[in-house]
Amino acid sequence: NAGVTQTPKFQVLKTGQSMTLQCAQDMNHEYMSWYRQDPGMGLRLIHYSVGAGITDQGEVPNGYNVSRSTTEDFPLRLLSAAPSQTSVYFCASSPMGRDTEAFFGQGTRLTVV
Amino acid sequence: AQSVSQHNHHVILSEAASLELGCNYSYGGTVNLFWYVQYPGQHLQLLLKYFSGDPLVKGIKGFEAEFIKSKFSFNLRKPSVQWSDTAEYFCAGNTGFQKLVFGTGTRLLVSP
Repeated sequence: NAGVTQTPKFQVLKTGQSMTLQCAQDMNHEYMSWYRQDPGMGLRLIHYSVGAGITDQGEVPNGYNVSRSTTEDFPLRLLSAAPSQTSVYFCASSPMGRDTEAFFGQGTRLTVV
Repeated sequence: AQSVSQHNHHVILSEAASLELGCNYSYGGTVNLFWYVQYPGQHLQLLLKYFSGDPLVKGIKGFEAEFIKSKFSFNLRKPSVQWSDTAEYFCAGNTGFQKLVFGTGTRLLVSP
């Protein structure tokens, strides 16, 4: 069982470039989310989705776009990368409803130069 | 606003020492609490979770945590740490529904 799969694992971008971080889950979870992890700041929620076609902003959404066309996939787009977006990005999924736990992907380490 | 705080940012212990990592939350009503561990270069793994019931929760690898509602705390404990416990530990919470709020993490270094 693959769980939550993120690609790529590592990426270096130049300032102003765009890219998409991929996230896929095979557990039929309705809820998916993206976090960024920065030293001393823990994980902060960027965007989340409660199902196909429904997305919403988290704590730090600026500079990122998301869409959810299928239950399985939840890509994160950087339209114009900035050095401040250098971070480790984690995708997570969980079933909807009360008292559920989140499952995390392996992470994508992004460096913007 | 809901928040989770971890006051120990870095902890250094010798093998066989006891561990207690602090976690406090600020949720007003129902709360679910979690401890995640991140080994170097790896993703987050769930150590244990509290939804309701017995406030003493046992997790994997000999870890446990106690939910103390009166103190808004959910501290992580382990009686005897090993070198392999070197990792970063995150406390997180939500109100029973999906949106997780994380603490800033505690880096644990266990020296052999």
